[in-house]
Amino acid sequence: AQSVSQHNHHVILSEAASLELGCNYSYGGTVNLFWYVQYPGQHLQLLLKYFSGDPLVKGIKGFEAEFIKSKFSFNLRKPSVQWSDTAEYFCAVRSSGGSNYKLTFGKGTLLTVNP
Amino acid sequence: GAVVSQHPSRVICKSGTSVKIECRSLDFQATTMFWYRQFPKQSLMLMATSNEGSKATYEQGVEKDKFLINHASLTLSTLTVTSAHPEDSSFYICHAASLNSEQYFGPGTRLTVT
Repeated sequence: AQSVSQHNHHVILSEAASLELGCNYSYGGTVNLFWYVQYPGQHLQLLLKYFSGDPLVKGIKGFEAEFIKSKFSFNLRKPSVQWSDTAEYFCAVRSSGGSNYKLTFGKGTLLTVNP
Repeated sequence: GAVVSQHPSRVICKSGTSVKIECRSLDFQATTMFWYRQFPKQSLMLMATSNEGSKATYEQGVEKDKFLINHASLTLSTLTVTSAHPEDSSFYICHAASLNSEQYFGPGTRLTVT
């Protein structure tokens, strides 16, 4: 079975600080990886995804993530956070191939950015 | 772009009553619908997967007779919580996916059972 671990439950940063949120997954096969963001009171939105190719993927709002297959990791990064990045961030994984879009989510990391 | 809506956004009901939550997809065909529940400060837990026109497949531990899912069309899926109890209070989110891998989450429904 797939599982996803997000090691940081709550991260607090000041504006302009750099961000890295950890995500590790457990699965024996080929995977697709996602990061979602949930702003307060809003629905989940896709930040970025990795299916294949360049392991460094760039998403919206200046976020990027790097897939390191040997470490089963897909960490999310942003060089300089803003107050508006305050939100909950979820890493998710699905087995690649097929049309089943079933996702397994991590527990989420709450990011608080202080102005 | 495509939007997935849920109705109602919030509902409060008495214990023992049933509540229906609708999930509608606009501008795309949701061939597969996933229903999740999310407890405070926890992750999204998949409850069931349904393909249009077929019976839903429930995850282990989810009572199919309590959480009735209907996915009769490509634009509408419903989740009915039957005989709701306080422990069913949660945030319910639908996730719609199309055959060409478009996928969108609904905004969620906050259910409170008193």
